[in-house]
Amino acid sequence: DAGVTQSPTHLIKTRGQQVTLRCSPKSGHDTVSWYQQALGQGPQFIFQYYEEEERQRGNFPDRFSGHQFPNYSSELNVNALWLGDSALYLCASSLGGAGARSYEQYFGPGTRLTVT
Amino acid sequence: AQTVTQSQPEMSVQEAETVTLSCTYDTSESDYYLFWYKQPPSRQMILVIRQEAYKQQNATENRFSVNFQKAAKSFSLKISDSQLGDAAMYFCAQAADKIIFGKGTRLHILP
Repeated sequence: DAGVTQSPTHLIKTRGQQVTLRCSPKSGHDTVSWYQQALGQGPQFIFQYYEEEERQRGNFPDRFSGHQFPNYSSELNVNALWLGDSALYLCASSLGGAGARSYEQYFGPGTRLTVT
Repeated sequence: AQTVTQSQPEMSVQEAETVTLSCTYDTSESDYYLFWYKQPPSRQMILVIRQEAYKQQNATENRFSVNFQKAAKSFSLKISDSQLGDAAMYFCAQAADKIIFGKGTRLHILP
């Protein structure tokens, strides 16, 4: 049973560039959430996708956008990169719907983004 | 507003001993969930234990148990018989309309 996978593992970009990160959810899961984890901090919620729509969003600017495909995989796009966007970006999958089940998230290994 | 506070940035425990990690939270929601996640040095986050706020009974998963004090908004994690593989960052998280993580506690296991 494949868990959550993310690509690429590492990425180096220059300020002002755009980046796309990819995530495939755990088999059977239909909901994908994205988090930004700065060094030494806990993950911060960016947004969640369910049924190909953004269902919830954290306090992140519009430079952060996403997409979910019919096979439930997801992309995170960040435009006009800042130095402060350097972080580990985590993807988590879960089952949609209400209750604890939707919050039992399985995390991927993350993508380490460095902006220079 | 939802907040999660972990007041212990780092802790150490002797192998085979018991350790308790603290977490306090705040929320105006009446229905919410609490979690402890573990992030080993390999960085993949793993769910350790969860607690539904409406349940009075404390959750237990093998060597891991919680002390959930709803009135005090406290949710501590107890690890019994600590093992070397328990060394990791531990994050407390609260889920109401969104999931909020604390800043984490780094746990060292001393052989």
